Amino acid sequence: EADIYQTPRYLVIGTGKKITLECSQTMGHDKMYWYQQDPGMELHLIHYSYGVNSTEKGDLSSESTVSRIRTEHFPLTLESARPSHTSQYLCASSDGAGGNYEQYFGPGTRLTVT
Amino acid sequence: GQQVMQIPQYQHVQEGEDFTTYCNSSTTLSNIQWYKQRPGGHPVFLIQLVKSGEVKKQKRLTFQFGEAKKNSSLHITATQTTDVGTYFCAGPITGTASKLTFGTGTRLQVTL
Repeated sequence: EADIYQTPRYLVIGTGKKITLECSQTMGHDKMYWYQQDPGMELHLIHYSYGVNSTEKGDLSSESTVSRIRTEHFPLTLESARPSHTSQYLCASSDGAGGNYEQYFGPGTRLTVT
Repeated sequence: GQQVMQIPQYQHVQEGEDFTTYCNSSTTLSNIQWYKQRPGGHPVFLIQLVKSGEVKKQKRLTFQFGEAKKNSSLHITATQTTDVGTYFCAGPITGTASKLTFGTGTRLQVTL
């Protein structure tokens, strides 16, 4: 089983609050990802990092921001949460070694904004 | 933009029946990956296919990559209740190797 962690697992928060979702991996992977997934739906890439100090937005527009100051840590921040942000957020990592781009996923954070 | 569609969206089978999900990409893919997500869980990598026409087996699961590298399938023989979940295919976003576009997923329900 891969070593990738997300906290909190569940979060219920009021509109307008600032939140940070934590993601850490101990595998030394260069590439990390944030996906948004609504119940029963596909995963949408919202942020991607090639490595330290390298981030870019994914194909799904998101009001969240990310940072990558350390290889193992890739937090996601919402400055002002809104009900439309209610979703599951999944963090993943990969290393691409030998052309294998298998992604390892964390357990996810289920966010509810009231 | 690049789209990856899967059919069916949902399938309910009796334990012991076979199951197949089909994945179709709007663009040619350098490789295709398959993931399984159990209810309430996170996606778990199953396999990666790279070569045109490639077929790989994992116990009761058979994966195929189409000759044109635009479609793929996952076939499960004699389903079990442990096969319950949503199966996603995923292919690299055009022009990249490590960023993926996930398919729409097929949810499998297996009953006794």
